Amino acid sequence: GAVVSQHPSRVICKSGTSVKIECRSLDFQATTMFWYRQFPKQSLMLMATSNEGSKATYEQGVEKDKFLINHASLTLSTLTVTSAHPEDSSFYICSARGRGRDEQYFGPGTRLTVT
Amino acid sequence: QKEVEQDPGPLSVPEGAIVSLNCTYSNSAFQYFMWYRQYSRKGPELLMYTYSSGNKEDGRFTAQVDKSSKYISLFIRDSQPSDSATYLCAFREEGAQKLVFGQGTRLTINP
Repeated sequence: GAVVSQHPSRVICKSGTSVKIECRSLDFQATTMFWYRQFPKQSLMLMATSNEGSKATYEQGVEKDKFLINHASLTLSTLTVTSAHPEDSSFYICSARGRGRDEQYFGPGTRLTVT
Repeated sequence: QKEVEQDPGPLSVPEGAIVSLNCTYSNSAFQYFMWYRQYSRKGPELLMYTYSSGNKEDGRFTAQVDKSSKYISLFIRDSQPSDSATYLCAFREEGAQKLVFGQGTRLTINP
């Protein structure tokens, strides 16, 4: 149990375009989902926390107009990188936490490359 | 002082050795303690989760928490090449949603 999937696993896009990444909890209802960014050989950096049906809470320094997060259902959250630039190239990972549960389970990650 | 300190390694040991990975923390409000394993280009995988001082064992893995010393450890017995990965400690306060991660320790088990 506790499986989280992400799609796509990797994406290449041109500078100025937008990219949407999906995160799904496959076998549990995720009341809270988290989006992280990870640079090579570094730890995870939390970008935002979203609760189902509520607006996401962004960490300091993360542009909410650039990184749009939607958590429309208990099994799906999306991250849209708008007007992507090469510096947005990174590994984006989502995680999810179920109702009444303490554990947080991670997706496999999405590698974004902006050319 | 950093909230969480974790030696980034790299740590290289022979197959079959006992591995000890450690983290120290300064926030006494941390109540939940986790260890994640992350293979290259993959998302972290939850290995161990505990919320009290003492030991918790799961197969070849033992997590140890010492709240009085603000110190947690992960022991891997009979280490295998497939254990080669980055190990991240993580902490959470009671009532909080977000995790605070250590930097991660890169571990290599040599056959």
